[in-house]
Amino acid sequence: AQTVTQSQPEMSVQEAETVTLSCTYDTSENNYYLFWYKQPPSRQMILVIRQEAYKQQNATENRFSVNFQKAAKSFSLKISDSQLGDTAMYFCAFMKPTGTASKLTFGTGTRLQVTL
Amino acid sequence: GAVVSQHPSWVICKSGTSVKIECRSLDFQATTMFWYRQFPKQSLMLMATSNEGSKATYEQGVEKDKFLINHASLTLSTLTVTSAHPEDSSFYICSATGTSGRYNEQFFGPGTRLTVL
Repeated sequence: AQTVTQSQPEMSVQEAETVTLSCTYDTSENNYYLFWYKQPPSRQMILVIRQEAYKQQNATENRFSVNFQKAAKSFSLKISDSQLGDTAMYFCAFMKPTGTASKLTFGTGTRLQVTL
Repeated sequence: GAVVSQHPSWVICKSGTSVKIECRSLDFQATTMFWYRQFPKQSLMLMATSNEGSKATYEQGVEKDKFLINHASLTLSTLTVTSAHPEDSSFYICSATGTSGRYNEQFFGPGTRLTVL
């Protein structure tokens, strides 16, 4: 079974600064997907970024980028120019593709607080 | 992106009663829907996976007789918590995959807060 570990329960960053959230995972699979989800106080889950394991290039989405180290099984999220609206829980997730019923395995989450 | 709704957004019920939560895909066909449970300040735990027209597949440790899941159409799945007890109080979230988005992309509903008195 796959496991996802987020070792930082809480983090804080000042507005406009950069912060990196850590995630490691354990799997014997070679083909898989990794995700970062954001859950703001509204509790609506929002997809931040997605990485296919077969792609060497790190995914980027505007101010969000990842550092995907497949050999090290590490998948960190960098948020640049942090904004107050980035305050949320961030979950790292793993998916082994098994057709339409592919399941997500979530980490325990990192609570990010963006301050003035 | 694709939209998934849940109804109700919150519900309070008495111990021993049953509660039904609906999950709808509003603008795409959901071939697969997932139900998660989230306790305060914790992560999402997958309860079950349902495919349209088939019986749901429950995760280990989830009581299938307590948490009844029906996926009767390509836009609707329901979770019924039978004989609810205070320990069933939680935040329930559904997600759906289907004819929208990238491969296996899950679209999440806004969640339902259940409080059992």
